[in-house]
Amino acid sequence: DAKTTQPNSMESNEEEPVHLPCNHSTISGTDYIHWYRQLPSQGPEYVIHGLTSNVNNRMASLAIAEDRKSSTLILHRATLRDAAVYYCILRPYGSSNTGKLIFGQGTTLQVKP
Amino acid sequence: DTEVTQTPKHLVMGMTNKKSLKCEQHMGHRAMYWYKQKAKKPPELMFVYSYEKLSINESVPSRFSPECPNSSLLNLHLHALQPEDSALYLCASSQGDARAYEQYFGPGTRLTVT
Repeated sequence: DAKTTQPNSMESNEEEPVHLPCNHSTISGTDYIHWYRQLPSQGPEYVIHGLTSNVNNRMASLAIAEDRKSSTLILHRATLRDAAVYYCILRPYGSSNTGKLIFGQGTTLQVKP
Repeated sequence: DTEVTQTPKHLVMGMTNKKSLKCEQHMGHRAMYWYKQKAKKPPELMFVYSYEKLSINESVPSRFSPECPNSSLLNLHLHALQPEDSALYLCASSQGDARAYEQYFGPGTRLTVT
């Protein structure tokens, strides 16, 4: 299975944009890229997902490199509430993978006031 | 309503007890999941139910027994647990089990085995 690599931690200032990187150099052409986050003492929360094109939603933007070997989650204006562990997850094709969401170690984002 | 509810919030049980965790969603989702999360670790998938049938068991010990009585409800029956089974147990649901669907998570049940 393709693996993702994320920095262990990042810091950001409140009200500034945050770019969270994810490397997935062994991604296959049919793997979806999903991002979830987990705030302290809460269950994970879906953020965004994409396949090939960049995606935007009310929470964030997902920029996918042209070769799909990396992606970046963009929070446009960080707030204190965005302090969380952010997980970049690949979801591969295949009946044995159906339903599976395999979490890596993620990036712990700290937001400073 | 995008809520997944889990009860109880906290549970303390002895190694000889039998208890159950409950998870409920009313979003019309047809896939439901159990995850286990140890402190400072990422969640680990345990079971996947699709259309009320168990589709994935990630080699979970038989002392954990899942049940899906209907499309809105998911239970996890616990029996003869070990102290190392103490963890946060998370339930999730999604519209289907295909990889394009996002999963919605509940707040979890924090389980302590004494």
